[in-house]
Amino acid sequence: QITLKESGPTLVKPTQTLTLTCTFSGFSLSSSGVGVGWIRQPPGKALEWLALIYYNDDKFYSPSLKSRLTITKDTSKNQVVLTMTNLDPVDTATYYCARRPTRARFDPWGQGTLVTVSS
Amino acid sequence: QSALTQPPSASGSPGQSVTISCTGTSSDVGGYNYVSWYQQHPGKAPKLMIYEVSKRPSGVPDRFSGSKSGNTASLTVSGLQAEDEADYYCSSYAGSNNYVVFGGGTKVTVL
Repeated sequence: QITLKESGPTLVKPTQTLTLTCTFSGFSLSSSGVGVGWIRQPPGKALEWLALIYYNDDKFYSPSLKSRLTITKDTSKNQVVLTMTNLDPVDTATYYCARRPTRARFDPWGQGTLVTVSS
Repeated sequence: QSALTQPPSASGSPGQSVTISCTGTSSDVGGYNYVSWYQQHPGKAPKLMIYEVSKRPSGVPDRFSGSKSGNTASLTVSGLQAEDEADYYCSSYAGSNNYVVFGGGTKVTVL
C-alpha cells in the first residue's frame, strides 16, 4: 500500500520561510521514472502545482513560484522536503504531496496539511 | 487564473450523464496525451480518476471515461450516482518549462 503524509507548521508569519516534509511508504524514490510532487489549494480555490522531484534528482518548479521554492529528497528516509521563502497571506492553503509514477499523473495523494500565513 | 479552462459547474439527475470540458493549448492538452482527471470530495484529498486521456486506474468505475479532441479534453460520468457529487480537476503535462498545469475545477451536482 502506498501512502504519503505531509507535515510541517500550521501557522507561519509573513516573510518567514515554510518547510514542509512529505514522508512516504510503499514505494522507493530511487526507482526509475518515479517522482514526488507538491500541489497546493487555497481555501475554496483550485489546485496549483508547485514542484516535482524525480528519482534521478531532476527538479521542476512552477514558473511563477520558482524563485521562492526548493525541493529536495532524502531517499534513505523516504522523504521529500519543500521549502518556500518569503511567505505571504496569499500562500495560505492546504499543501499536498503526491507520487508521480509517470509524467501522466499524480497518484496517490497525501491527506494534505493546512498552512495559514498570518501575523 | 488557471492554465486550463473548465466550466465552474455541471449537473445531472441520477442515472444521467454529465460531461466536463477542459480546454488548454497546443503546448499542454493538445500537445501531449498526458491529461489526467481528479475527483475531490469536500475536505478530502484529490483522487485520480483518469490518466493519459482515457485510462482508468484500478478500482475506478467504468462509468468514468475520458477523451480528447485538439486542445480540449473531456471527462464523462455516465449513470450518475449520488457519490459522484464532487469537484473535478483536469491536469496536463505542459512540457519541460511549465511542466504541470491544472484546470480551475468543476463542481458536479447530482440533482
